Amino acid sequence: GESVGLHLPTLSVQEGDNSIINCAYSNSASDYFIWYKQESGKGPQFIIDIRSNMDKRQGQRVTVLLNKTVKHLSLQIAATQPGDSAVYFCAENINNYGQNFVFGPGTRLSVLP
Amino acid sequence: DAGVIQSPRHEVTEMGQEVTLRCKPISGHNSLFWYRQTMMRGLELLIYFNNNVPIDDSGMPEDRFSAKMPNASFSTLKIQPSEPRDSAVYFCASSLVSEQYFGPGTRLTVT
Repeated sequence: GESVGLHLPTLSVQEGDNSIINCAYSNSASDYFIWYKQESGKGPQFIIDIRSNMDKRQGQRVTVLLNKTVKHLSLQIAATQPGDSAVYFCAENINNYGQNFVFGPGTRLSVLP
Repeated sequence: DAGVIQSPRHEVTEMGQEVTLRCKPISGHNSLFWYRQTMMRGLELLIYFNNNVPIDDSGMPEDRFSAKMPNASFSTLKIQPSEPRDSAVYFCASSLVSEQYFGPGTRLTVT
């Protein structure tokens, strides 16, 4: 699958460093957020989610932070590895059924050896 | 489970031809989504179904696009007639609660 394109923001990090990928969402009524990872030639893959009643959620090597005041979401990846190289999308949802998501433009993460 | 299955993986067709993309969702999932991904627009939701019923088709670009879900294990997205600007990767995804599982996509090229 095409992972979007020439004008994507790109973050380059050294292997082993921590990565922080940011996302500004558009709708103050959004109550549920997901981070997806898309590797070249593949469909997006779920990483971690967070609901609007939380401001932080941790997974394995990943942490999502939510700041509703400024409508900002971030994904932190600890000890970044070459396999983390991909395009990362945040997605927001504004209804309680969790069905209709709006995806951000994505950020390309490049891990340097 | 094999995950979401899409076919074909690649499709090249001439302008004016009919194109049909196919999707088999994960067994037991009750929602199915069709997305289009391009360099210019990113990932866009075209339509989604819940329990085989179309819920929101506001993302379908125009009447040339249609989608059906005749049963819980199969959906199609049809473009007729196709145009070069329809060239994109089309993803199908399915979900049970909120997390969506994406298929590998169909890369469509209309010449």
